[in-house]
Amino acid sequence: KAGVTQTPRYLIKTRGQQVTLSCSPISGHRSVSWYQQTPGQGLQFLFEYFSETQRNKGNFPGRFSGRQFSNSRSEMNVSTLELGDSALYLCASSEGASNYGYTFGSGTRLTVV
Amino acid sequence: QKEVEQNSGPLSVPEGAIASLNCTYSDRGSQSFFWYRQYSGKSPELIMSIYSNGDKEDGRFTAQLNKASQYVSLLIRDSQPSDSATYLCAGTANFGNEKLTFGTGTRLTIIP
Repeated sequence: KAGVTQTPRYLIKTRGQQVTLSCSPISGHRSVSWYQQTPGQGLQFLFEYFSETQRNKGNFPGRFSGRQFSNSRSEMNVSTLELGDSALYLCASSEGASNYGYTFGSGTRLTVV
Repeated sequence: QKEVEQNSGPLSVPEGAIASLNCTYSDRGSQSFFWYRQYSGKSPELIMSIYSNGDKEDGRFTAQLNKASQYVSLLIRDSQPSDSATYLCAGTANFGNEKLTFGTGTRLTIIP
């Protein structure tokens, strides 16, 4: 069974640009969550999608958005990039409810210069 | 106030000893708890889940949950150098319809 796949693995962007990250969950998993991980803040919750609907949202500015497609694949977008957006972005999938626990992808390392 | 708090460490334990990792949470509605292990440069990996008060054992790992005191712990017996990693505690409320909230992690080093 394939794991959670995130693309790309690494990205370097310039301030002011926008970026789209992709996540393919484990087959059969309908919930996809996104987290930002930085050394100082740890894992910060961005949002969760379940069956194409945003079910939960973290405390991030509106520059951070996401969506989920009918095949459960998800994308997140960050517009008007800032230096502080440099982080590891992790996608995690679950069968449905968060109390099953999440399986994480390898992450996308975003560097904003 | 952080919803899930962990001692950031670092925690150093001799090989073969018991490593004890602790976590407290503020939301009394939290129902499900998880321990993840994250090696440097890798993504978090689920190692234990616990939903009821008491102990849950899986090999060398034992998770303990005390809902009255709002703490969760992870014991690693016979610690091995390969256990050196950052351990993340996470919890969720409302039987799974809420987000999974993580602590900032405890860095554990096993000394050979």
